[in-house]
Amino acid sequence: EVKLVESGGGLVQPGRSLRVSCAASGFTFDDYAMHWVRQAPGKGLEWVSGTSWNSGSRGYADSVKGRFTISRDNAKNSLYLQMNSLRAEDTALYYCVKGFRPNDYGDYFDYWGQGILVTVSS
Amino acid sequence: QSVLTQPPSVSGAPGQRVTISCTGSSSNIGAAYDVHWYQQLPGTAPKLLIYGNSNRPSGVPDRFSASKSGTSASLAITGLQAEDEADYYCQSYDTSLSGSVFGGGTKVTVL
Repeated sequence: EVKLVESGGGLVQPGRSLRVSCAASGFTFDDYAMHWVRQAPGKGLEWVSGTSWNSGSRGYADSVKGRFTISRDNAKNSLYLQMNSLRAEDTALYYCVKGFRPNDYGDYFDYWGQGILVTVSS
Repeated sequence: QSVLTQPPSVSGAPGQRVTISCTGSSSNIGAAYDVHWYQQLPGTAPKLLIYGNSNRPSGVPDRFSASKSGTSASLAITGLQAEDEADYYCQSYDTSLSGSVFGGGTKVTVL
């Protein structure tokens, strides 16, 4: 059974940093791209970032480019999102998502975690 | 404003057929990138409903079908049931943005 479990969320002040993590199990982690997708309260889905199976390719939404960094540790079956210079508009539920393909471009998302809430507020 | 455009809401009586459109452009759907659909039931994480324009993962009822043509795609639900009440999102890849993009979502209400 595929399981994706996010952790590390919480309340953070504007301008500060936070790192969220995702522990994956139930599949061969280093065969697939992984992504982060977020959903602001009461809003729709927004793709945030994706990384290929070997971290050779990483993509970011324009809204987070230069502030967020995606990374993965295939030895630990883990995905990370380092979020710097956080803004109020980054407040959202962040989902760890498994890609169907090894590469992150043109991918789709076949398994989703339950999400972790990040709240940016003073 | 989402890159892919969906109607905010659609509704239908039990047993009826409803459709949800997803309109893109020449840099995403029109560039031959596949369209995928997700269902998000209230209070839960999204679930893959349709992949590769028209394919259903195992376990998804055949009441759900989808197609793609030109710069648009559509999802159809036939024999609408109360349990289909949810938000539905289309997703594709945008070559100009070099990333995945979602539609704004459509809330389906069963009357």
